[in-house]
Amino acid sequence: AQSVSQHNHHVILSEAASLELGCNYSYGGTVNLFWYVQYPGQHLQLLLKYFSGDPLVKGIKGFEAEFIKSKFSFNLRKPSVQWSDTAEYFCAVISFGNEKLTFGTGTRLTIIP
Amino acid sequence: GAVVSQHPSRVICKSGTSVKIECRSLDFQATTMFWYRQFPKQSLMLMATSNEGSKATYEQGVEKDKFLINHASLTLSTLTVTSAHPEDSSFYICSAMERGTDTQYFGPGTRLTVL
Repeated sequence: AQSVSQHNHHVILSEAASLELGCNYSYGGTVNLFWYVQYPGQHLQLLLKYFSGDPLVKGIKGFEAEFIKSKFSFNLRKPSVQWSDTAEYFCAVISFGNEKLTFGTGTRLTIIP
Repeated sequence: GAVVSQHPSRVICKSGTSVKIECRSLDFQATTMFWYRQFPKQSLMLMATSNEGSKATYEQGVEKDKFLINHASLTLSTLTVTSAHPEDSSFYICSAMERGTDTQYFGPGTRLTVL
């Protein structure tokens, strides 16, 4: 069975700091990878996704993520965070042939102005 | 594009009553829809997967007779919580998978409170 680990449960940063949120998955086959964001009081929104091709994918709001197959990782990055990035971030995986998303436990990001 | 709506956004009901929650994909066709529960400060827990025109597939531990799912069309799925009890109080979220893709788009969720 596939699983997703997000080791950072709560990250606190100052504005303009750089961000990297870790995501590791366990599944040996082909996967599609996602990052979703949930702003306070709002629903889950797709931030970016990786299906194939260039392992460095760019999403909305200046976020990017890099798929490193050898490390089973799909870390989320942003070079300079803003207060409005305060939210809960979820990494998720779908394995090939399986339509179910497996979510990580989420990382709460707090940006201090 | 890829907007999913849920109705109602909040519902309060008495113990023993049934509550229906609707999930609609507004601008795309969704052959598959999913229902999740989200507990406070936790991740989403998949309850069931519904495919248009067929019976839903429930995750282990989810009572299918309690959580009735109907996926009547390519844009509508409903979740009915039957004989609701206080422990059913939760945040219920649906998602819709756009036909031909592996991407799920999420609704805004429904906050159910059972008194």
